Amino acid sequence: GAGVSQSPSNKVTEKGKDVELRCDPISGHTALYWYRQRLGQGLEFLIYFQGNSAPDKSGLPSDRFSAERTGGSVSTLTIQRTQQEDSAVYLCASSPSDRVGETQYFGPGTRLLVL
Amino acid sequence: DQQVKQNSPSLSVQEGRISILNCDYTNSMFDYFLWYKKYPAEGPTFLISISSIKDKNEDGRFTVFLNKSAKHLSLHIVPSQPGDSAVYFCAANRNYGQNFVFGPGTRLSVLP
Repeated sequence: GAGVSQSPSNKVTEKGKDVELRCDPISGHTALYWYRQRLGQGLEFLIYFQGNSAPDKSGLPSDRFSAERTGGSVSTLTIQRTQQEDSAVYLCASSPSDRVGETQYFGPGTRLLVL
Repeated sequence: DQQVKQNSPSLSVQEGRISILNCDYTNSMFDYFLWYKKYPAEGPTFLISISSIKDKNEDGRFTVFLNKSAKHLSLHIVPSQPGDSAVYFCAANRNYGQNFVFGPGTRLSVLP
């Protein structure tokens, strides 16, 4: 019955390294979303999954960003060759379906700092 | 190019008074709007929503007003309580896709 969980909660990495961020959605939720929030800015949509497929990848900022979801559950967001501008809080959310306007339940986020 | 704007980064209100948080949007295709509340070190939590077919939605102390012609919505909290102190995000969505667009947030401080 737990909410959305994300790991790690904090990640410090060096520029050029790859990072993987994990999201465990609420059990039974078919839709999963990734957002990022840079300091002082709003949430920026990255990608959305319905089941294991990603109908909307329009928010991924570059080809260094990729995401996958397996078993209709856990999702991993991978950032390759990290840059300092990737520093942000990465938030994952899930919802029971992908109906328009369905409430999204957010995890606590992963704070990524690229040095 | 921010499609959803919250022009007040912060707001302070006395306990018991009304808090009014404002949000403006530029995309006339948006037809569903939500408010989320976020405490430090936690993810945003859903607060209240409104569809473009309505101009008001109320849930307890929280009321959201939508003015489509002005592309403006506001969240009223009355009476404000110290536990309402948080960052409030406005978000908008179109009738297809799941690409919610969020504003930058307004930090509300309710003073006892």
